[in-house]
Amino acid sequence: LAKTTQPISMDSYEGQEVNITCSHNNIATNDYITWYQQFPSQGPRFIIQGYKTKVTNEVASLFIPADRKSSTLSLPRVSLSDTAVYYCLVATVVNSGGYQKVTFGIGTKLQVIP
Amino acid sequence: GAVVSQHPSWVICKSGTSVKIECRSLDFQATTMFWYRQFPKQSLMLMATSNEGSKATYEQGVEKDKFLINHASLTLSTLTVTSAHPEDSSFYICSARDFRWDTNYGYTFGSGTRLTVV
Repeated sequence: LAKTTQPISMDSYEGQEVNITCSHNNIATNDYITWYQQFPSQGPRFIIQGYKTKVTNEVASLFIPADRKSSTLSLPRVSLSDTAVYYCLVATVVNSGGYQKVTFGIGTKLQVIP
Repeated sequence: GAVVSQHPSWVICKSGTSVKIECRSLDFQATTMFWYRQFPKQSLMLMATSNEGSKATYEQGVEKDKFLINHASLTLSTLTVTSAHPEDSSFYICSARDFRWDTNYGYTFGSGTRLTVV
């Protein structure tokens, strides 16, 4: 499994855009990049997933350069409720019916300031 | 979307007793589920992979006799912490993947169980 490196913590003011970058230099050809959000005493929640270029959904965007050795999670106009730990994971997607165990790095603790 | 239900959400037990935690996939079948443990201010640590109808696969350093995993049906996996001690106090989380959603390869996590051993 590709190892990921993220900043341990980040601070941002409310209303600003936040970009969290994750390095995964050893990403394999079949690996996807997935980001999760975790609030205290809750299970992680899926945010977004991508393979290359840019992916956008209703809560975030994910930018992946051509070499795929890094990825950036972009949260537009953060609010206090976005204060959480964000995890970047890299794992191979297997065919339907299969699986791959997912291991977590330390994550990035985002603190949104009023 | 996929929902994974975990029960109980918190439990307090006496040292030496056993505690069972349930993980259910509510609207999908999961032949494989994962169990994690998380200590305060730390990341999730994978403990074991639960396989329906067969033995669980434990990560290195996890005592299989202490953390008993049973995956008797396609929607239920249980983790039993046997002879619990205060050092077993932690946040336990399960996860599973819903293969129906081809565009979402993410895993769905339960809400977690806070275990406190006194």
